Amino acid sequence: EVQLVESGGGLVKPGGSLRLSCAASGFTFSNYIMNWVRQAPGKGLEWVSSISSSNYIFYADSVKGRFTISRDNAKNSLFLQVNSLRAEDTAVYFCARGGGAVPFDSWGQGTLVTVSS
Amino acid sequence: SYVLTQPPSVSVAPGKTARITCGGDNIGSKSVHWFQLKPGQAPVLVIFDGNNRPSGIPERFSGSNSGNTATLTISRVEAGDEADYYCQLWDNSSDHWVFGGGTELTVL
Repeated sequence: EVQLVESGGGLVKPGGSLRLSCAASGFTFSNYIMNWVRQAPGKGLEWVSSISSSNYIFYADSVKGRFTISRDNAKNSLFLQVNSLRAEDTAVYFCARGGGAVPFDSWGQGTLVTVSS
Repeated sequence: SYVLTQPPSVSVAPGKTARITCGGDNIGSKSVHWFQLKPGQAPVLVIFDGNNRPSGIPERFSGSNSGNTATLTISRVEAGDEADYYCQLWDNSSDHWVFGGGTELTVL
């Protein structure tokens, strides 16, 4: 069974940083593009970033230069370093498997990031 | 950047058919995916590549895509189908994934 479990969220002050993690199991992690998607309170889904199996990376314009996606295929883990956080970054952050010819077919339950003073 | 437009809400009586649209420039030439999102839960892929259902998704869910509109159709709607639904595609011109704004499906 495919499982994706996010962690690392929390309350942080504006300008602060966090490192989000996503632990994957039940599939060959290194074969898949992985993604971060977020949902702000009362808002819709917003794609954040994607990383291919060979570390080809894409970012949404709203986070480029502040967020860094990475992966550790040996540890079946996906990461998102979030820096220079703003109130509008407050959201549940989901990791999702898929991309390219594979749709986002598996998602984690999400981790909540709250940016507030 | 590419924009996907969805109606904010759709209402339907149980047993009837719900149709949720997703508008975009020449969207019929693109591969569109649909997700169901219920409060406090992970999103669920319900349709991929226009009209394909993942395993475990009921046949009541179907999709179509032509011209400037993609449509998610839910037949014989049940109370458990009440959720937010999002369309999604890959925008080649910007190398970005794009989501529609989401449609809240209410079962009357």
